[in-house]
Amino acid sequence: NAGVTQTPKFQVLKTGQSMTLQCAQDMNHEYMSWYRQDPGMGLRLIHYSVGAGITDQGEVPNGYNVSRSTTEDFPLRLLSAAPSQTSVYFCASRGGGKTQYFGPGTRLLVL
Amino acid sequence: GDSVTQMEGPVTLSEEAFLTINCTYTATGYPSLFWYVQYPGEGLQLLLKATKADDKGSNKGFEATYRKETTSFHLEKGSVQVSDSAVYFCALSHSGGGADGLTFGKGTHLIIQP
Repeated sequence: NAGVTQTPKFQVLKTGQSMTLQCAQDMNHEYMSWYRQDPGMGLRLIHYSVGAGITDQGEVPNGYNVSRSTTEDFPLRLLSAAPSQTSVYFCASRGGGKTQYFGPGTRLLVL
Repeated sequence: GDSVTQMEGPVTLSEEAFLTINCTYTATGYPSLFWYVQYPGEGLQLLLKATKADDKGSNKGFEATYRKETTSFHLEKGSVQVSDSAVYFCALSHSGGGADGLTFGKGTHLIIQP
């Protein structure tokens, strides 16, 4: 049982490049979310999913796309990276309870 | 909308000191309340939680009580250790379906000196 896994751990992009941050969970959780963490801002919700095929926007969705084709995976796509997207990204999942389980994070630097 | 306000750090204490990190919230309905901890270079770990008024969450010597009358969920520990140095986040989550996700405070950086 690996919990929530994220890849890559660290990534450097140039402005305008695209990439996908991967997130997977093996706990059969319905709910999955993406957050970004910025200094002095805490964590802010980007997108979330309440089940396969269902996604919705969080607090800061602009510049990010998501899809949920399986229960296990919830990738986050940056279509055209911008320096403002430099951040640490966390994926989380939860089952029927209220506790969310977080992945180890992906540190992204956009030059 | 929902919001969480917590004292900003860094908070620096000596080992064995008493710790309080204040957290207040604004939300409709009856949210669940959480404290998460982030150790250097790691992701967030759930420290404790409370799902209804007057509930007390506790773990690893930390405690917090859900006070609906004061909309607060202050984190306390009687005697801190160097290993408690980390960033602590207060968060809330709404019950039921609909919008999922946590609303976080900005985090409190705790530094414990030997």
